Amino acid sequence: AQRVTQPEKLLSVFKGAPVELKCNYSYSGSPELFWYVQYSRQRLQLLLRHISRESIKGFTADLNKGETSFHLKKPFAQEEDSAMYYCALSGETNAGKSTFGDGTTLTVKP
Amino acid sequence: DTGVSQDPRHKITKRGQNVTFRCDPISEHNRLYWYRQTLGQGPEFLTYFQNEAQLEKSRLLSDRFSAERPKGSFSTLEIQRTEQGDSAMYLCASRRNTEAFFGQGTRLTVV
Repeated sequence: AQRVTQPEKLLSVFKGAPVELKCNYSYSGSPELFWYVQYSRQRLQLLLRHISRESIKGFTADLNKGETSFHLKKPFAQEEDSAMYYCALSGETNAGKSTFGDGTTLTVKP
Repeated sequence: DTGVSQDPRHKITKRGQNVTFRCDPISEHNRLYWYRQTLGQGPEFLTYFQNEAQLEKSRLLSDRFSAERPKGSFSTLEIQRTEQGDSAMYLCASRRNTEAFFGQGTRLTVV
């Protein structure tokens, strides 16, 4: 069975502060991990994938297989980062369907 | 907007009625997924199509639910004899390679 856990429902930081959104997963094989973001009144959209190892909008995430984690980090949060963030996992054999965490609402205060 | 399109955006129905939702994926995306999202939770997988073939269905998809993708393009999700527990956001996503693109969803309210 595969599972994604986002332990924080709500996270609030001040503008310019570092932010880390936690994600832990359980999967017996080699997973593909994603972060999706949903801004107010917009559709869910992909933020980044662990395979691409990119930095998008200043966010990075490193897959730690030993700790089964894929935390999302940004060194200096901006007000426009306020959104709902979902961590998701796709297994190597399940044809691209994703298991999502329950999301973390990030609020960046001015 | 050339993204994934879902219709209707909102649907209010009485308990016991049937409803049908439509999803138009990005053209040439051969994979199409339906998810359901309830308040405070992440999207939950319902079913998956590759072209016109429905390859997987979640246990969440009871006998009252049926999905089709007749020509490998648009897809429909029908719920028969709706129950209040069916109230949720129904999301459609399509993908060709590794990135999934989501529609804006259909919010169903069963009263």
